[in-house]
This record gives sequence, C-alpha cells and structure tokens, in this order.
Amino acid sequence: QQPVQSPQAVILREGEDAVINCSSSKALYSVHWYRQKHGEAPVFLMILLKGGEQKGHDKISASFNEKKQQSSLYLTASQLSYSGTYFCGTDPAGGTSYGKLTFGQGTILTVHP
Amino acid sequence: NAGVTQTPKFQVLKTGQSMTLQCAQDMNHEYMSWYRQDPGMGLRLIHYSVGAGITDQGEVPNGYNVSRSTTEDFPLRLLSAAPSQTSVYFCASSYIGSPLHFGNGTRLTVT
Repeated sequence: QQPVQSPQAVILREGEDAVINCSSSKALYSVHWYRQKHGEAPVFLMILLKGGEQKGHDKISASFNEKKQQSSLYLTASQLSYSGTYFCGTDPAGGTSYGKLTFGQGTILTVHP
Repeated sequence: NAGVTQTPKFQVLKTGQSMTLQCAQDMNHEYMSWYRQDPGMGLRLIHYSVGAGITDQGEVPNGYNVSRSTTEDFPLRLLSAAPSQTSVYFCASSYIGSPLHFGNGTRLTVT
C-alpha cells in the first residue's frame, strides 16, 4: 500500500522552513527521499535506515520513526532551488529493496522570492 | 559515464500497437526496475529484476512484459497499447542498499 505524504502542497518564501511527512501502514526497513523538478527524473536526496541516525545534507535533513512507521523531511532556510515535487519511497521490513520502492503521491513545494 | 539511458524520449502510439522502451545502464548494478508516473499517483512499480535472467512483477504489471538477458539492459514491452498506458515511464538501477538511479524518462502517449 502506498505511503501517505502530507501536506500535498506547500508554498514558501525564500528563507522559510518546511516539513514534509511520510506515513506508512507497513513496517519499514528504510525510507528514501527524492526531489523531482518539472520534466526531469527524480533525484536522490537521502536514505534513512532502520536503527540509523537522522540524516542531513546542507540545510535538508530527515528523521525516521520506526515504531510509528513515519519519516519527516525538514527543509531549513529554503532556497529557490528547493522548488519541486518531493517523494518518499518506502522499503518494507526485510532488509533489501531490490529496487522495489513504494512511493508516496508526492508533495509539491514552491519557493517564491 | 552515462548512468541510466532510456530511449526514446517521446513516443506516440495508436491503440493496439506494440513497442519496446529501451533501458541500459553502465554502472554494473544488479537491480533494475520500471516505474510509471501519472499525475497525483507518484511512481508505481511495473516490473523489476534482481539480475540477468530474473524478473518479477511489481504493483501494475498488466499489459507489460520484461526480460533481462544481460546485466546492462532491461527493455519494457507494451504488447497492445491502450490509452490507459499513457504515462511517463522511468527506468532505474541500483545495488543492494543503494538509492535508485533514474533514467530521464520516456513520455508515452497512446491515442
């Protein structure tokens, strides 16, 4: 079953923060986060593994709550380049994904000057 | 280093026609997969492969066939195109525990 992302869309001014949530009804081994610009392929942001620490990349970080089967993506001091659609991809408990991720429906993030 | 290459980039088919979407990767990745992307639906898994000669169905396999004779190539065949198969198709490759590396996509319209 597809994980549920919230919110569906968010509009920010440059410099504002945002949080995107991803919730699954299944136990998870890992959660992947990707960003997709219009007309382009999804681009990898980060993986969070069961039992792993919170990840961070520049001003984008994420957390993974295994018990709640939820992950959150935190975008701090947003830049225009952060605009795009964000997807979480979930890998069920079992240890390996074999390229078999189940993706959420996406969250459209728009950053204005 | 090309990564994942998909061809063609755009394709228009008539209902009932067949075609093959090509996907090739040069990273020696074990795993390859095909996803389709429709508005508001995210990416849905069609078929995947864990190695040459091994394929399996994903969430939405009906109307599609795959084969994997080499590590590098993973073509997706549409047997008899239907308007419901109008979509953007992404091929991806990966290895154990790694992120997915996506190709640039094929935009298919079936009229």
